[in-house]
Amino acid sequence: DIQLTQSPSSLSASVGDRITITCRASRGIKEFLNWYQLRPGKGPRLLIYAASILENGVPSSFSGSGSGTDFTLTITSLQPEDFATYFCQQSYILPYTFGHGTKVEIK
Amino acid sequence: QVQLQESGPGLVKPSETLALTCNVSGVSVTRAPYSWGWFRQPPGRGLEWIASISFSGSTSYNPSLKSRVTMSVDTTKNQFSLDLRSVTATDTAVFYCTRQDYDSGGHTKMVYWGQGAQVTVSS
Repeated sequence: DIQLTQSPSSLSASVGDRITITCRASRGIKEFLNWYQLRPGKGPRLLIYAASILENGVPSSFSGSGSGTDFTLTITSLQPEDFATYFCQQSYILPYTFGHGTKVEIK
Repeated sequence: QVQLQESGPGLVKPSETLALTCNVSGVSVTRAPYSWGWFRQPPGRGLEWIASISFSGSTSYNPSLKSRVTMSVDTTKNQFSLDLRSVTATDTAVFYCTRQDYDSGGHTKMVYWGQGAQVTVSS
């Protein structure tokens, strides 16, 4: 299975801050990497697919980059609704696997 | 508008079978090229893919769970189901159903998700 290592596991930030989350794959996965947001009581929300393509309806404050083994999710100007947990997920090969998540908390 | 809604028992005893259903509205479960999937999130842990089924009924299972899992579709009710046999406390999790979409580049993405169903395994 492809392992995805996310960092940091948690971070504290303020409204308006810029944050970056990284995801490293245990082997090359080209651009087959998605990012999701998870809030309590809700299903995951797709933010970015194919490493850098913004899903319809997702604010442009979210962006993704990378290919191969190293990927990043950046949120510019954090909003109150952005405080949540973020996961990366590879769709290169079955079984689909996820990173362990990054919890973004209010400082 | 596509919507998915999980339903299940909430509490299951160890060694029994967990049966979950995902009711789909706004699209047929037999519509190409979509697939349908089950994922779970144990407490304090990340998400885990369990199984998927294509519009034509072809199934894929996570090897770590394959011996205990069966996924099926009921086209008459426009829903799909998951059976997880011989459960233990480690199967306690929030279970999600989802639709798997594909873009022109062959990338898989899960846009539509249910809100999740908490399942606890306990005697």
